[in-house]
Amino acid sequence: EAGVTQFPSHSVIEKGQTVTLRCDPISGHDNLYWYRRVMGKEIKFLLHFVKESKQDESGMPNNRFLAERTGGTYSTLKVQPAELEDSGVYFCASSLGTEAFFGQGTRLTVV
Amino acid sequence: ILNVEQSPQSLHVQEGDSTNFTCSFPSSNFYALHWYRWETAKSPEALFVMTLNGDEKKKGRISATLNTKEGYSYLYIKGSQPEDSATYLCASLEYGNKLVFGAGTILRVKS
Repeated sequence: EAGVTQFPSHSVIEKGQTVTLRCDPISGHDNLYWYRRVMGKEIKFLLHFVKESKQDESGMPNNRFLAERTGGTYSTLKVQPAELEDSGVYFCASSLGTEAFFGQGTRLTVV
Repeated sequence: ILNVEQSPQSLHVQEGDSTNFTCSFPSSNFYALHWYRWETAKSPEALFVMTLNGDEKKKGRISATLNTKEGYSYLYIKGSQPEDSATYLCASLEYGNKLVFGAGTILRVKS
């Protein structure tokens, strides 16, 4: 069974550009989470989908970040326009019950 | 607001030492407690998921206990080895809510 997959694994963009991260959860997992770890700091919650609905987006830092989950399957996280402080590793996790499984993360570098 | 706290923030031990970390979480509306092991440049790896008060789980030299009434969990590592060096994360899940992580405990084991 495929695990949680994220694409791309690395992205380097210039300040002001747009980047879209994608997460494919484990098939059948209703819950999908996005997290971010900024250099050396703790993992911060961004948002939580239940199927296609945003259950909680209290962690989204500002309106430059937009997350979608089409049809309750894969999810995208768009950053537009990107700023230097957006650099970090973006993790996606999915769960059906009590256990959450993580993707490998996308390392975003904004220069 | 759900706050998950971990202590200590970091720990340096000698090979062969046994060690333990603490995770505290709000006990109201508790659903599950997760422990993850996170090595640099990898995604968090699930160690344990615990749901019942008094739960005790073991995986090799690593074990964990759970007290849902007082809201804490301990992670123990017996006879630490250099390969145990990682960040250990705990995360608490409430019913119908998001998975919230603690800041992690960084463990460094010197040979």
